[in-house]
Amino acid sequence: DQQVKQNSPSLSVQEGRISILNCDYTNSMFDYFLWYKKYPAEGPTFLISISSIKDKNEDGRFTVFLNKSAKHLSLHIVPSQPGDSAVYFCAARGGLRGSTLGRLYFGRGTQLTVWP
Amino acid sequence: ETGVTQTPRHLVMGMTNKKSLKCEQHLGHNAMYWYKQSAKKPLELMFVYNFKEQTENNSVPSRFSPECPNSSHLFLHLHTLQPEDSALYLCASSQDPTLNYGYTFGSGTRLTVV
Repeated sequence: DQQVKQNSPSLSVQEGRISILNCDYTNSMFDYFLWYKKYPAEGPTFLISISSIKDKNEDGRFTVFLNKSAKHLSLHIVPSQPGDSAVYFCAARGGLRGSTLGRLYFGRGTQLTVWP
Repeated sequence: ETGVTQTPRHLVMGMTNKKSLKCEQHLGHNAMYWYKQSAKKPLELMFVYNFKEQTENNSVPSRFSPECPNSSHLFLHLHTLQPEDSALYLCASSQDPTLNYGYTFGSGTRLTVV
């Protein structure tokens, strides 16, 4: 049973435009959400995160929005650049209790392609 | 370099072979993880070690055997694998699962079982 879902396997955006990557989750106990970026032949690298007590976090061109009532988060990239082309993984951290202590749950990833 | 080093980067092995994957981190992290990434699937957590103790085995077949001799090194011993075990195996580390830090991943080992 997948607790973190990225329903769009791919997204294609023109350079300069906004890229919006979406992520849904099922477990209301998740307390922290992260986005990772992965280039081919490399491991995922941390991009941006947000605590469950916030609804927005911004870092340069990257903004993550969290809608707890909808159990939905999104990553906005503005403006998109060709170098942003990569697979983006959404991850959620299990709450600080029990067997899910600190564990990250990942989605399947979304392949973003930014074309000139 | 992320601070988490995995070797080898690529590995081709037969189903009767025995091989080991190695992961090393010098970030001072306390927890280390093995993940499996297969095509079009989410990252699958395999094993978790916290302060050298295995705290989670996510129903992984016994043909995968982890070893964590110290908090900086993690191994994954492989024997009698199947072709469906071909995947990218990622090692990750984190400072403390209870803190708001994500994982630092290695570049992975691309494993092909023939």
